[in-house]
Amino acid sequence: DVKVTQSSRYLVKRTGEKVFLECVQDMDHENMFWYRQDPGLGLRLIYFSYDVKMKEKGDIPEGYSVSREKKERFSLILESASTNQTSMYLCASRGSGSRSYTFGSGTRLTVV
Amino acid sequence: DQQVKQNSPSLSVQEGRISILNCDYTNSMFDYFLWYKKYPAEGPTFLISISSIKDKNEDGRFTVFLNKSAKHLSLHIVPSQPGDSAVYFCAASKSGAGSYQLTFGKGTKLSVIP
Repeated sequence: DVKVTQSSRYLVKRTGEKVFLECVQDMDHENMFWYRQDPGLGLRLIYFSYDVKMKEKGDIPEGYSVSREKKERFSLILESASTNQTSMYLCASRGSGSRSYTFGSGTRLTVV
Repeated sequence: DQQVKQNSPSLSVQEGRISILNCDYTNSMFDYFLWYKKYPAEGPTFLISISSIKDKNEDGRFTVFLNKSAKHLSLHIVPSQPGDSAVYFCAASKSGAGSYQLTFGKGTKLSVIP
């Protein structure tokens, strides 16, 4: 069964900390995505990558960066965490022959 | 500008009845539409999709209808079950450049009452 694995289900971090959210997929997918989900706002795209070392800004990239050194791994970095980045973070991947995404289970991040 | 809209934030339905979730879109370039289901503290899971060359797609209790002229799609769940209680997201994509991305609506929370 195909899988997208996010390293942490729950995280609590302090304001100003640098935070790394890791995502690994085992499907050899080219495309990977980071979303955040907030009540009443739905799923908003932060960054995506269509190949190793490639990245593109989504709709809300401010305060975030990403890294894709290997095809299977896509990391989201909060350079200096702030309370307004408290959210559910969702990683997804998509293969070139599909128009559907496979999502990970999500990371609930709380910044205090 | 919101290109995919789900205007009902929530919906309550009795068990055994039909649930109808609606979605509107504004971008005429969208040619593929998907529904995802999300439980709390889990990632969204793919439910059903439809290409713009069709007007209906069925999978068990789930049917999606597409009205291209109205730029409207709907998800029908018959009969509704308590386990269907979740947030449902409508999503759309287009072919060609930018086809990597799905554009999501804000979601509709469905509650199926036993």
